[in-house]
Amino acid sequence: SQELEQSPQSLIVQEGKNLTINCTSSKTLYGLYWYKQKYGEGLIFLMMLQKGGEEKSHEKITAKLDEKKQQSSLHITASQPSHAGIYLCGADGRTSYDKVIFGPGTSLSVIP
Amino acid sequence: GAVVSQHPSWVICKSGTSVKIECRSLDFQATTMFWYRQFPKQSLMLMATSNEGSKATYEQGVEKDKFLINHASLTLSTLTVTSAHPEDSSFYICSAASVAKNIQYFGAGTRLSVL
Repeated sequence: SQELEQSPQSLIVQEGKNLTINCTSSKTLYGLYWYKQKYGEGLIFLMMLQKGGEEKSHEKITAKLDEKKQQSSLHITASQPSHAGIYLCGADGRTSYDKVIFGPGTSLSVIP
Repeated sequence: GAVVSQHPSWVICKSGTSVKIECRSLDFQATTMFWYRQFPKQSLMLMATSNEGSKATYEQGVEKDKFLINHASLTLSTLTVTSAHPEDSSFYICSAASVAKNIQYFGAGTRLSVL
């Protein structure tokens, strides 16, 4: 079965600093979701990547998918306290009917 | 706006009672929905796949009789936690598959606390 690893497990950065979170899959990624979650709350959809080499940006968050490496990275530029939370990557199957397997999550804290 | 509605968002119940959680796709039909469970400080774990008009497919280790899933229409799946106990306290999240967009949309989650 497919497994996802995320690194780092947790991250503490000072406001204004850039940071990167990585997600590595044990199998080929057909689609990769990035979600943000605050503890005890639902998932906030950030973006979905489906094509090898694809890169998407939303505000100060950029995500890339490298199918060859079976990896995706999430980069936050000039971090703010509002970026704090848990970032989860999820591997999609070939179709939307396939279950999404989630990584363990990366906890991000941003110090003002 | 939200395309998947989950209700209730928070429920507290007594041990031994049953609790029903609803997951609705608001502007698309979803023949497939998924139910996840999340323990504190852990990631989401898939419990079962809900298929409209047929029996749900449960992941290994998930009790079918404990977590009843009904997907009676193309826009609604329900998860019933039967005879709930404190160890069932958790955060439950559903997702619905949009074929048109080939993407899954997630609900806001339901926090269940069993006293």
